[in-house]
Amino acid sequence: QLQLQESGPGLVKPSETLSLTCTVSGGSISSSNYFWGWIRQPPGKGLEWIASIYYSGSTYYKPSLKSRVTISVDTSKNQFSLKLSSVTAADTAVYYCARVATAAGYCSSTSCHIDYWGQGTLVTVSS
Amino acid sequence: QTVVTQEPSFSVSPGGTVTLTCGLSSGSVSTNYYPSWYQQTPGQAPRTLIYSTNTHSSGVPDRFSGSILGNKAALTITGAQADDESDYYCVLYMGSGIWVFGGGTKLTVL
Repeated sequence: QLQLQESGPGLVKPSETLSLTCTVSGGSISSSNYFWGWIRQPPGKGLEWIASIYYSGSTYYKPSLKSRVTISVDTSKNQFSLKLSSVTAADTAVYYCARVATAAGYCSSTSCHIDYWGQGTLVTVSS
Repeated sequence: QTVVTQEPSFSVSPGGTVTLTCGLSSGSVSTNYYPSWYQQTPGQAPRTLIYSTNTHSSGVPDRFSGSILGNKAALTITGAQADDESDYYCVLYMGSGIWVFGGGTKLTVL
């Protein structure tokens, strides 16, 4: 059974960089059939897709966050990571990592969706 | 930037049928957006219900179904139960490795 586990500081100061890591167990991050993504949810609000990465290292970002976000993958550790710079209180949220199923990296009628989620980790931006 | 739209809230009676929709601020949703649907209860990670418009995720009851209705994706719950009271999110694939969530619908069963 695949499991994803987020880790990182729960408290980040304004203007600093938020760093999170997602450790994947029970499966390989190097499979060509999956993207890996970060999603966040501010308290009491909806879900927001932040970024995605393919095992090859190709990255994709939400346009409005692109200037502040970096997603990366470490296949040797079966992990992928998120960095969000210049954080403000508006970045306070539960951050989820997720696996996105595709067909060899392409959306198809059989797969183009999140099939596994991490449990989420709350990151608070406050001084 | 294209916005994915959902009804903010909806109410259904136990045993009733409800259809939640997922649209675009500009344009129509088609199967080419590979709409997927997720259910979330407070304090929990979302659960995948439907993907690629109308395919059930493993273990999801048949009372949940997905479709395209007019120019929107739709999630229909038939025979609503009390534990269907949740937030429901749609996601559309915009291409180029980018997915976008709708704002979510809070479903009340009463």
